[in-house]
Amino acid sequence: AQTVTQSQPEMSVQEAETVTLSCTYDTSESDYYLFWYKQPPSRQMILVIRQEAYKQQNATENRFSVNFQKAAKSFSLKISDSQLGDAAMYFCAYRSYSGGGADGLTFGKGTHLIIQP
Amino acid sequence: KAGVTQTPRYLIKTRGQQVTLSCSPISGHRSVSWYQQTPGQGLQFLFEYFSETQRNKGNFPGRFSGRQFSNSRSEMNVSTLELGDSALYLCASSSGLAGGRDEQFFGPGTRLTVL
Repeated sequence: AQTVTQSQPEMSVQEAETVTLSCTYDTSESDYYLFWYKQPPSRQMILVIRQEAYKQQNATENRFSVNFQKAAKSFSLKISDSQLGDAAMYFCAYRSYSGGGADGLTFGKGTHLIIQP
Repeated sequence: KAGVTQTPRYLIKTRGQQVTLSCSPISGHRSVSWYQQTPGQGLQFLFEYFSETQRNKGNFPGRFSGRQFSNSRSEMNVSTLELGDSALYLCASSSGLAGGRDEQFFGPGTRLTVL
């Protein structure tokens, strides 16, 4: 079974600084996506960024970028120029594909990101 | 385009009762997935429906069931409620095409409390 591990239950960063959230996963599949979701206090899950396993280039979305190390099964999220609105729970997630279909998302336990003004 | 809607937003039930939660996907989306979020177990996949058929299922007991209607709206039902079923239930919709590689959009969730 696939597992996703987020080893940092909580992280704190000063506004405008850079922070990196860690995620490792375990799978024997070759075709999969990795995701970072943000869940603010409103509880609405929002997709931050996603990475296809076959793509070597790291995904980037504005201030958010990932460091995807496939051999090490590592998928970290870097947030640059942190803003107060970035404060939320961040979940790393995995989804594999086989037989023309997709499995459900497997989530890590989450990292609570605090932004200090 | 309206987002994913879930009703009700909050629900209080007692042990042994049953409950039905509803999810209306984004217009045009045919896939609806359900997730349970608890402090102890985190986020866990329940099941996915596509074009009225269950396409995928997580590891939950048979007390958890779902269905999807022709308009893609989905309901999930939990029978014989237990205290441990207290959770935030999230649904997510997507087009369901492209082999599931399209983005899933989440609803605001239904907070179920079992007393």
